[in-house]
Amino acid sequence: DVKVTQSSRYLVKRTGEKVFLECVQDMDHENMFWYRQDPGLGLRLIYFSYDVKMKEKGDIPEGYSVSREKKERFSLILESASTNQTSMYLCASTTGTSGSEQYFGPGTRLTVT
Amino acid sequence: AQKITQTQPGMFVQEKEAVTLDCTYDTSDPSYGLFWYKQPSSGEMIFLIYQGSYDQQNATEGRYSLNFQKARKSANLVISASQLGDSAMYFCAMREIGTGGGADGLTFGKGTHLIIQP
Repeated sequence: DVKVTQSSRYLVKRTGEKVFLECVQDMDHENMFWYRQDPGLGLRLIYFSYDVKMKEKGDIPEGYSVSREKKERFSLILESASTNQTSMYLCASTTGTSGSEQYFGPGTRLTVT
Repeated sequence: AQKITQTQPGMFVQEKEAVTLDCTYDTSDPSYGLFWYKQPSSGEMIFLIYQGSYDQQNATEGRYSLNFQKARKSANLVISASQLGDSAMYFCAMREIGTGGGADGLTFGKGTHLIIQP
């Protein structure tokens, strides 16, 4: 069974802290993605990666960075967390073919106080 | 401009009725894919159905079908014989394939909250 896992379901951090959200997939997928989900806004793409050490900005990259040192792992980094980054964060992965679905992790609900 | 528009923030439907969830999209890319996902209250995103822009026939998956009207840029999801377990958020999403192949992320609509009543 395909699986995308995220390191935490719930996380509470203080303003200014550096935050790491980890995502691991076991499907040998080339492409991995980070989205944030906010009520009434749907999901918005933060960053994606199509290969190890490669990254591309999505629609809302400001305040975030990413790291992909191994094919199966894609990390989202909040360099200095702010309250407006309180959100649900969803990781996804897919193969390189155009019609392939994205498989999502369970999400991390991050609260920044 | 929004690329994906879902005009129904919420819907109440009686069990066993058919449901149509609306989705319109905007793109100038001739090659694109359209997806529907279901998100129950537990939070996981469940893939339902896919339609490619060059597919000649409407996609179907069990009780789900996609009413694809390319000229109108419409990709409505139809759920036949609704069940209580269909209660969830439903998201329409698009990938503009262009030169990016499958690597680019999805653009999502804001979602429709569907509630099935007994």
